[in-house]
Amino acid sequence: QVTLKESGPSLVKPTETLTLTCSFSGFSLNSIGMRVSWVRQPPGKALEWLARTGWDDDDVYSTSLKTRLTISKDTSKNQVVLTMTKMDPADTATYFCARVYCTNGVCLDDYWGQGILVTVSS
Amino acid sequence: DIVLTQYPDSLAVSLGERATINCKSSQSVLHSSNDKNYISWYQKKPGEPPKLLIYWASTRESGVPDRFSGSGSGTDFTLTISSLQAEDVAVYFCQQYYDVRTFGQGTKVEIK
Repeated sequence: QVTLKESGPSLVKPTETLTLTCSFSGFSLNSIGMRVSWVRQPPGKALEWLARTGWDDDDVYSTSLKTRLTISKDTSKNQVVLTMTKMDPADTATYFCARVYCTNGVCLDDYWGQGILVTVSS
Repeated sequence: DIVLTQYPDSLAVSLGERATINCKSSQSVLHSSNDKNYISWYQKKPGEPPKLLIYWASTRESGVPDRFSGSGSGTDFTLTISSLQAEDVAVYFCQQYYDVRTFGQGTKVEIK
């Protein structure tokens, strides 16, 4: 059974660095075809894809946010960590992690965590 | 980045009627190597994670009801709900995976 869960602070101050952890079970990032991605949704706004990491160490970032994002993985702990620097109130959002399963030429986000709401406020 | 523009921003449809959502890409997402369109559709309900409905523009994900269908090629795509049910009230997003992934701005579907 595949599960993912996001954890981290619910409140951060402007200019601080946000660190979120995605803890997962039921698959391994050492397995070919497996990746984890991060997506966020500000209240009442659109989904925004942030970053992904995976079995092939081919980390990819959102073009608009790549200078602020770092994604890393700990395969022994089954965790993926996303850090975002210079937090701003506009970064207030629910942050989701998802398993990405790559097969037959396509990579699909097939399992998701429930998300974590992060508020940026002083 | 590839920009996806959805229209309308919202629509209200009677139960049992058809709902049609459009997604226009700023550039073609049809890959010449495999003749596939790198577009997917997601359903998003409040308090829930996104749910994948359609990929390759028209392939329904396992377990998705067949009232959901996708069509289109190149830069223009459509998600159709053939007979709207109450549980389909949600915001729907298109996403491209031709390049670094991006989402459309979303279309809110409500009951008339």
